Amino acid sequence: NAGVTQTPKFQVLKTGQSMTLQCAQDMNHEYMSWYRQDPGMGLRLIHYSVGAGITDQGEVPNGYNVSRSTTEDFPLRLLSAAPSQTSVYFCASSYSSRGAYNEQFFGPGTRLTVL
Amino acid sequence: EDQVTQSPEALRLQEGESSSLNCSYTVSGLRGLFWYRQDPGKGPEFLFTLYSAGEEKEKERLKATLTKKESFLHITAPKPEDSATYLCAVLEDYKLSFGAGTTVTVRA
Repeated sequence: NAGVTQTPKFQVLKTGQSMTLQCAQDMNHEYMSWYRQDPGMGLRLIHYSVGAGITDQGEVPNGYNVSRSTTEDFPLRLLSAAPSQTSVYFCASSYSSRGAYNEQFFGPGTRLTVL
Repeated sequence: EDQVTQSPEALRLQEGESSSLNCSYTVSGLRGLFWYRQDPGKGPEFLFTLYSAGEEKEKERLKATLTKKESFLHITAPKPEDSATYLCAVLEDYKLSFGAGTTVTVRA
């Protein structure tokens, strides 16, 4: 049982490049979410999904896309990277389809730098 | 407007010196308050969920309490391994809003 896995662990992009951050969970969790963590600001919700085929925006969705074609995977796409997207990104999952009502399990994070 | 405010930002303790962390919130329809622990370079790890004022939960040297306006995380006789950043989050409309965290350093 690997829990929540994220790849890559580190990434450096140039402004304007696109990329996909991968997130997978093997716990059959309904709810998955993406957060970014910046110094002094806490974790901020980017996008979330309450089940396969269903996604919605969080607090800071601009510049990011998500899709949920399977229960296990929830990739986050950066369309055209900007320096303001330099951050640590965390994926999380929870077994409840009622959103984050239950404890969320977090992945190890992806540290992204945009030059 | 910040929904979740944690204080202090940083706390330095001697081993065995008990203390408390504060999490105040302004959401009107609180559905739950969560405490997480985060070690450097890692993702947050779940500690507690509190759902109603007056509720308390304990785990080893940690005890979380909840009122209508705030939550406290009490650390009793801390050890160096309790050093971490402690995050508070409130649940409203099925989404979590996190505070910026309190970084606790416990010196032997």
